Amino acid sequence: EVQLVESGGGLVQPGGSLRLSCAASGFNFSPYTMRWVRQAPGKGLECLSSITTNGEITNFASSVKDRFIISRDNSRSTVFLQMGSLRAEDMAVYYCVRERGAYYMDVWGKGTTVTVSS
Amino acid sequence: ETVLTQSPATLSLSPGERATLSCRASQSVNTDLAWYQQKPGQAPRLLIHDASDRATGIPARFRGSGSGTDFTLSISSLEPEDSAVYYCQQRSTGPNFGQGTRLEI
Repeated sequence: EVQLVESGGGLVQPGGSLRLSCAASGFNFSPYTMRWVRQAPGKGLECLSSITTNGEITNFASSVKDRFIISRDNSRSTVFLQMGSLRAEDMAVYYCVRERGAYYMDVWGKGTTVTVSS
Repeated sequence: ETVLTQSPATLSLSPGERATLSCRASQSVNTDLAWYQQKPGQAPRLLIHDASDRATGIPARFRGSGSGTDFTLSISSLEPEDSAVYYCQQRSTGPNFGQGTRLEI
């Protein structure tokens, strides 16, 4: 079964850091660009970041640029999102997603919740 | 950057009816447009890609159409389980999801 499983979410204080992980299984991970998408409570979907197959090219939304870092370990079929300088507005469910066709997202994880609060 | 605008915000219909959801792009995206369904408490699910291609396992009741700036997701023979928020998404490095249409059956 093709699957993405996120982990690492939790409660963090404003200004703090958190590292999310996403473990892929059921498919050959390395040929796929991977993304992180988040959804704040009661809000829509926001594409945060993407990373190409070998990690050479990464992209970030302006809302998280210079605060978040995306990386991947193809040997472990895992993609990471290192989040720093967290703010209340970063509070959301974070989804790991597999990209196809250079833009659409055909496999989604169940998400991991990040809460930013003192 | 290209902005996607979805309408209506909310659509209330009865079982068996047909739903028509609209997504308009501020500039042409050719046919690089996808549709997703998100039920409460669940992750989004890909329905349509490349404007009109159904994703694996998606029933033929779901039909995507359009090109350029105007796109439509049609859902025929509505079932209660079609109640969800539907998002369109385009290829862009900017904010590339629409704000969603809530469909209530």
